[in-house]
Amino acid sequence: AQSVSQHNHHVILSEAASLELGCNYSYGGTVNLFWYVQYPGQHLQLLLKYFSGDPLVKGIKGFEAEFIKSKFSFNLRKPSVQWSDTAEYFCAVNAMDSSYKLIFGSGTRLLVRP
Amino acid sequence: SAVISQKPSRDICQRGTSLTIQCQVDSQVTMMFWYRQQPGQSLTLIATANQGSEATYESGFVIDKFPISRPNLTFSTLTVSNMSPEDSSIYLCSVDGEGPFLSFGSGTQLSVL
Repeated sequence: AQSVSQHNHHVILSEAASLELGCNYSYGGTVNLFWYVQYPGQHLQLLLKYFSGDPLVKGIKGFEAEFIKSKFSFNLRKPSVQWSDTAEYFCAVNAMDSSYKLIFGSGTRLLVRP
Repeated sequence: SAVISQKPSRDICQRGTSLTIQCQVDSQVTMMFWYRQQPGQSLTLIATANQGSEATYESGFVIDKFPISRPNLTFSTLTVSNMSPEDSSIYLCSVDGEGPFLSFGSGTQLSVL
């Protein structure tokens, strides 16, 4: 069965620090990959997505993620975080043979201290 | 992307009762999904709501407990039946976005006493 692992459950950073959140998935076929963000009190929003092509994907608010197929990974990065990045971040995977069904990771709560 | 409205946004219910959650989309969408987010956990797919046919349920979820309706391409309901405290969760409606990704509603926070 497909699964998604996010190894960092809680991350605390100071403003301007660099961020990298890990995401690994288990599925041998072709996948679509996503990062969603949930700001406090708000609904889940798409941060960025990878379907094909350049494995380095740029999303909103300065976030980027790199798909490394050999490592089954899709890590999220941001060179300099802001207090407003405080949120919960979810990695999700869609196997291309299973319609739009998403498998989510357990999420990472990021707290950015001003 | 589609704008999704869910009602109610939150509710507190008594054990043994049922609650119906509504999901309204501002445009016609092919795929509608219902997810559950239990406290401190990630999102789990409950079922895919199919227009004109029965919903497709994921392992661990059954129609008697979570009946779903999908009368048209813009609307769906999820009922949480015979509730227990273990059903306390956020229930989320989602739809296919502009491409193979999902847009999510704001969710329904359910507390069962």
